[in-house]
Amino acid sequence: DAKTTQPPSMDCAEGRAANLPCNHSTISGNEYVYWYRQIHSQGPQYIIHGLKNNETNEMASLIITEDRKSSTLILPHATLRDTAVYYCIVRPRGGKLSFGAGTTVTVRA
Amino acid sequence: GAGVSQSPSNKVTEKGKDVELRCDPISGHTALYWYRQSLGQGLEFLIYFQGNSAPDKSGLPSDRFSAERTGGSVSTLTIQRTQQEDSAVYLCASSFPLAANEQFFGPGTRLTVL
Repeated sequence: DAKTTQPPSMDCAEGRAANLPCNHSTISGNEYVYWYRQIHSQGPQYIIHGLKNNETNEMASLIITEDRKSSTLILPHATLRDTAVYYCIVRPRGGKLSFGAGTTVTVRA
Repeated sequence: GAGVSQSPSNKVTEKGKDVELRCDPISGHTALYWYRQSLGQGLEFLIYFQGNSAPDKSGLPSDRFSAERTGGSVSTLTIQRTQQEDSAVYLCASSFPLAANEQFFGPGTRLTVL
């Protein structure tokens, strides 16, 4: 019962920014937006999370709309190694993760 | 430091046999999760341990599945009388308790039931 909606797939050119959208229109006030990714044959990897403010770390930036009903993960300079399935998840801090189908991102040279 | 480790990395078993999968969480992480991922599917939550609290077993698909966490550290997921539909990658994750930012995942155990 994932609470998020993501496009099933997207392509991105190497070196360009990749903008991954996520809709979470039923998000509750105490729920955070988390992003994970899963590279083929590996376990999921945490990317970033936020509550209502935009966040940035060494991997990505997270832009959350003011009404918190949607967000965008930005990979500033996509590389071939960023090819993976990206999952947008909403949950209270410390709760279990409910993974949907995610977005399959293919970075092309 | 060491990450989450799981063993075995691969397990092939015959239908009807019991299997045990092991997870060693990151030292100091009191929260431990089990998930499974069938081929081409997303992750499915199975069970969650947090400290000495009663585990959240809401994701276990049947009573053939059980899990223990001894001493607040190592966890074992047991599947009894395995079925072919149990074939999947079983992933373990650990984190600090409620104040945690993220879950750290192990490499998974690929279970194949013939």
